[in-house]
Amino acid sequence: AQSVTQLGSHVSVSEGALVLLRCNYSSSVPPYLFWYVQYPNQGLQLLLKYTTGATLVKGINGFEAEFKKSETSFHLTKPSAHMSDAAEYFCAVRYGGTSYGKLTFGQGTILTVHP
Amino acid sequence: DSGVTQTPKHLITATGQRVTLRCSPRSGDLSVYWYQQSLDQGLQFLIQYYNGEERAKGNILERFSAQQFPDLHSELNLSSLELGDSALYFCASSVQGGSTKEQYFGPGTRLTVT
Repeated sequence: AQSVTQLGSHVSVSEGALVLLRCNYSSSVPPYLFWYVQYPNQGLQLLLKYTTGATLVKGINGFEAEFKKSETSFHLTKPSAHMSDAAEYFCAVRYGGTSYGKLTFGQGTILTVHP
Repeated sequence: DSGVTQTPKHLITATGQRVTLRCSPRSGDLSVYWYQQSLDQGLQFLIQYYNGEERAKGNILERFSAQQFPDLHSELNLSSLELGDSALYFCASSVQGGSTKEQYFGPGTRLTVT
């Protein structure tokens, strides 16, 4: 079964510090991978995606993620946190075949940025 | 603004009732997806439609149904509502149903069942 695990339901960093949000997936077939952000009382906004090609993917707002097949991971990073980054972040995977359209989400990580 | 619209924004209703949630996809998108977000279950895929036809089904209860109309808007019907159906319901759309195509999410409908 497809599953996504986000390590740490809450991450707290200081403004200007490195942000690292962890995501691991379970699959013998590399999926397509996505990171979404959800601000309070809003929908999900796509940060970045990995489908094929370069394993280091750059997204919006200075975020990037690296696909590591050997570790089945797709961790999200940002070199320097900003107060406006405070939100909930979701890692998601998507496969082809009979699960054609389904996005499977992790449980989410709430990022708090303090001054 | 993702270009996906959902109405209503909030809905409060009683147990046993039936409600309809509406979604308009981004212009040009043929595929519509419905997701449920709750505190205990997280974000779960319910169902996908592509150009009017059901394409994939997830953890959707039999009391729930959906359809996509010729103008590509979609409706999610929830009946015999229970307290546990209280959740945020998102609609998303994508150009096609293909796995590489990202989904754009609407702002959601918050359903409260009392």
